[in-house]
Amino acid sequence: DIQMTQSPSSLSASVGDRVTITCRASQGISNFLAWYQQKPGKVPKLLIYAASTLQSGVPSRFSGSGSGTDFTLTISSLQPEDVAIYYCQKYNSVPRTFGQGTRVEIK
Amino acid sequence: EVQLVESGGGLVKPGGSLRLSCAASGFSFSSYYMNWVRQAPGKGLEWVSSISSRSSFIYYADSVKGRFTISRDNANNSLYLQMNSLRAEDTAVYYCARDRQGFTEHAPFEYWGQGTLVTVSS
Repeated sequence: DIQMTQSPSSLSASVGDRVTITCRASQGISNFLAWYQQKPGKVPKLLIYAASTLQSGVPSRFSGSGSGTDFTLTISSLQPEDVAIYYCQKYNSVPRTFGQGTRVEIK
Repeated sequence: EVQLVESGGGLVKPGGSLRLSCAASGFSFSSYYMNWVRQAPGKGLEWVSSISSRSSFIYYADSVKGRFTISRDNANNSLYLQMNSLRAEDTAVYYCARDRQGFTEHAPFEYWGQGTLVTVSS
């Protein structure tokens, strides 16, 4: 099975900072990559699919890039409401594995 | 409005069984793959199982294969997860989730229910 590895596991940044999270697949998955945001005590929310397509209603400060094995999620200007755990997920084939998550906090 | 409402969680002893249900509304249920995802306390998301729109294709995570059975009733817009031989490590919130795109397994999960907690403990 293809493994999904996120880095870092956690980060702390200031409001307004640019934040980048990476997700690496152990084998190529084309662009079948999604990013989710899970705020404390809440249900996961789809942010980005097809590696770079913003889900409807998601603020434009979120962006995604990558193809094949290496992907990034970028928050261009971190806001207090972005405190959450972010997960990548591959969906090119079963199993639709999630990364282990990246916790984002405000410094 | 798409709604997914899980039920059936609770406390069960190791080796016991439980059946989860997910009531769907607000969309053409029979057009979408449906999925179960779980999250152990304080842990990350784990895909558990998926079922195609007409139940032709069914998939399980290795961790539950042979113990869990996914099924659906398109006439009643319902998804199920029969969980047998439960273990402590199955303790988690179980989410029902709908694919973003119909008739394909190559889609992320766009809609999620609120989850139902399953606790396996003696």
